[in-house]
Amino acid sequence: DAGITQSPRHKVTETGTPVTLRCHQTENHRYMYWYRQDPGHGLRLIHYSYGVKDTDKGEVSDGYSVSRSKTEDFLLTLESATSSQTSVYFCAISTNWEGAEAFFGQGTRLTVV
Amino acid sequence: EDQVTQSPEALRLQEGESSSLNCSYTVSGLRGLFWYRQDPGKGPEFLFTLYSAGEEKEKERLKATLTKKESFLHITAPKPEDSATYLCAVQATGTASKLTFGTGTRLQVTL
Repeated sequence: DAGITQSPRHKVTETGTPVTLRCHQTENHRYMYWYRQDPGHGLRLIHYSYGVKDTDKGEVSDGYSVSRSKTEDFLLTLESATSSQTSVYFCAISTNWEGAEAFFGQGTRLTVV
Repeated sequence: EDQVTQSPEALRLQEGESSSLNCSYTVSGLRGLFWYRQDPGKGPEFLFTLYSAGEEKEKERLKATLTKKESFLHITAPKPEDSATYLCAVQATGTASKLTFGTGTRLQVTL
């Protein structure tokens, strides 16, 4: 298994509070991604990173921000959590810009009440 | 806009009963088509990458094929441990390895 650790694995938070999810990798892969998975929608890309301090938006980035200060860590922050952000969040890593498979972490189940 | 449609949504097979899962896609320029397996409560597990029409990949009881419009995941003589959700994703050229996923086919294999 690819060395990807997501934390926390489960979290319940209140509407309006900030939340940070962490993805840590031990593979030294350059590219890292945050996806969310919801019934009926499949996995959708939130943000991705192509290097330290280099990030860009995915298709569902509103309400989320990311940071990558080290190769191994990619943080996803919900500045002010809303109920629509209740979801399962997956981090993924990849070796190449195009054409390479992505390896996923175990996921973080976030509930916003 | 890239789109991926998987069918059927759910499939129930008896052990040994072969079948196929379908992934239809539209993409501006295909860089790769990916198949993943996902078990409940876990992250997707990579299975195959297909890059061009006519390509085939095999792994144990699974075989993936690709045409210009769709991909099939053939499951030969499945076992209960093959029960999972199978996800298909496409990557378009020039999209920085971003994947567009289908909603998956939930496969259940019974004794």
